[in-house]
Parts: sequence; C-alpha cells; structure tokens
Amino acid sequence: TQLLEQSPQFLSIQEGENLTVYCNSSSVFSSLQWYRQEPGEGPVLLVTVVTGGEVKKLKRLTFQFGDARKDSSLHITAAQPGDTGLYLCAGSNQAGTALIFGKGTTLSVSS
Amino acid sequence: KAGVTQTPRYLIKTRGQQVTLSCSPISGHRSVSWYQQTPGQGLQFLFEYFSETQRNKGNFPGRFSGRQFSNSRSEMNVSTLELGDSALYLCASSLAPQGNEKLFFGSGTQLSVL
Repeated sequence: TQLLEQSPQFLSIQEGENLTVYCNSSSVFSSLQWYRQEPGEGPVLLVTVVTGGEVKKLKRLTFQFGDARKDSSLHITAAQPGDTGLYLCAGSNQAGTALIFGKGTTLSVSS
Repeated sequence: KAGVTQTPRYLIKTRGQQVTLSCSPISGHRSVSWYQQTPGQGLQFLFEYFSETQRNKGNFPGRFSGRQFSNSRSEMNVSTLELGDSALYLCASSLAPQGNEKLFFGSGTQLSVL
C-alpha cells in the first residue's frame, strides 16, 4: 500500500515567517499534487508536479518534486494570515489509479 | 461555470439507518470520485465512477456503494450506519479518470451518526 507521510502535522507561526511542509513516501509517484483546504470547504488544487527535480512557484509558494519522485516540499515565504488552512499532498502512481492523499499539515498564521 | 455541488450540506442520522448523498459534477466532467475525510485518517478514497462505470474502489466495506447516472451526476449510499461513519464526505469531479487529472472538489456533506 502506498502511503504519503506529511510533516509537520501542525504548524503555528507569525505573519512574515517562512515555513516548509514535507510530503514523503517510499513509493515512486508519476505526479504529485498539492491542495489547500479551508474550514467548511473542499480542497482546492494549488499545483501539480510531474518531473523529478521540478520546481514550481506560485507567488510566495514554492513547490519541489524530489529527483526520485518519492517526495515533495512546499515552501511559503513571508506567510500571511490568508495562508491559513490544511495543506494536502496527493500522489498518483504510474498505473493511473486513485489519488492517494497524505493526512495533511494544518497551518495557522497569526498577525 | 458552476462548481461541484454536493447535497445535502449536513446530515444527522442514527445508527442502523441508511443515507444517500448526491454530487453534481462540473458540466462536461465525466469522472466523479468520492472521499471520506476524518481528522484521524485524512482523506480516504471510496470509489471513482467514469461514464457510469465504477473504475476504482477503495478499501471500504460493502455498506458503502455508489452509482453514476448518464448525466454524470453521482450518488453514494451508506447502509446500516455506524458511529464511525461520521465524517465529511467529499465528491470530486474531473474531465477524465484520475491520474494526473486536476480534481475539483465540492464543499462536502458533513454526516453525523448518533
């Protein structure tokens, strides 16, 4: 069974700080997606990374896919209260079966 | 373009009852997936339907079932409810079957089993 481990589970920081969230697996994924979920809503896709070593930037968010396609990270620069939410990574294996989700990192940014 | 619509938004049931949840995907999307989300287990895959056929199924008991209609709308049913079935049930639609496809999630149905 493929598993995605996310760390840390909880993160509480002040506005302006930087942070990194990790998503690790012992399995290879053909792609990894990152979602953000706010209370009372469903997850919203932020980015998809496909190529090993790929780096994608979305304003203050930087996503990286590991060279071996087993891990990924999300780095947020100068966090803002609007970044508060549950960050989920989800992996797709090469057989194209259902996305497997990590349990998520709950981020709280206070002003 | 309307998003994914899930109804009802909230449900309260008692043990032993059964429940049906509905999901209307984004227009043109033919794949609908269902996930159960709990604080302890996160998002767990229930099943995926594409063109009215169940394409994938997660590791859930037979009490959990679903179907998809010709207009791509989907329903999931849970029979003989247990306390542990209390969760947020999320539906997601995509143009094609899951894989590298972008999933669009609804706001979910919050089910409480008393």
